[in-house]
Amino acid sequence: GENVEQHPSTLSVQEGDSAVIKCTYSDSASNYFPWYKQELGKGPQLIIDIRSNVGEKKDQRIAVTLNKTAKHFSLHITETQPEDSAVYFCAASKSNFGNEKLTFGTGTRLTIIP
Amino acid sequence: DAGVIQSPRHEVTEMGQEVTLRCKPISGHDYLFWYRQTMMRGLELLIYFNNNVPIDDSGMPEDRFSAKMPNASFSTLKIQPSEPRDSAVYFCASSPSGGGVRNIQYFGAGTRLSVL
Repeated sequence: GENVEQHPSTLSVQEGDSAVIKCTYSDSASNYFPWYKQELGKGPQLIIDIRSNVGEKKDQRIAVTLNKTAKHFSLHITETQPEDSAVYFCAASKSNFGNEKLTFGTGTRLTIIP
Repeated sequence: DAGVIQSPRHEVTEMGQEVTLRCKPISGHDYLFWYRQTMMRGLELLIYFNNNVPIDDSGMPEDRFSAKMPNASFSTLKIQPSEPRDSAVYFCASSPSGGGVRNIQYFGAGTRLSVL
């Protein structure tokens, strides 16, 4: 089955700096890659996703890049703010629409230092 | 919509007792997922349903776990008998289908289960 590895497990950055979280996947048939943000005491919430026919996608301060050849994708957060502090999960799926089985990475705890 | 609703939010029980977790998906969503989150294993998919039918239960850890979806607006995850190693946060998520571009999974707030 699919295996998703995520690094780093913890990340601290100064407010205003950028943060980068990286994931690799094993199944070349995977074609949908969402990123979820989980705040304390809450369920994960989707923040951005990318499909295999796109190399990069941006939404305001967050962006995701995908390298299908190398089977890795990354989350970039620019101009970090205290409210960005949370646990971030990457995931991979073979479904084009993300409504089937997602395999999650182990999570990255991001701390923004004021 | 109120989002995915899970109950109870917290459950404390003793080893050997039966535990039932409940989930109400977002109205109109026809996919429902049950996940378990632990520090050691992260977020694991246990089972998911499409139109109330279980599609993939390969993540269900053992026969002590069972899940049902009697109708489109309700699902249960039951553990009988419960063991301390079942202590975790259990999430329910739902998703629409229909070919839309953004058929993402919406998660509930979770049930924190502690088995003593």
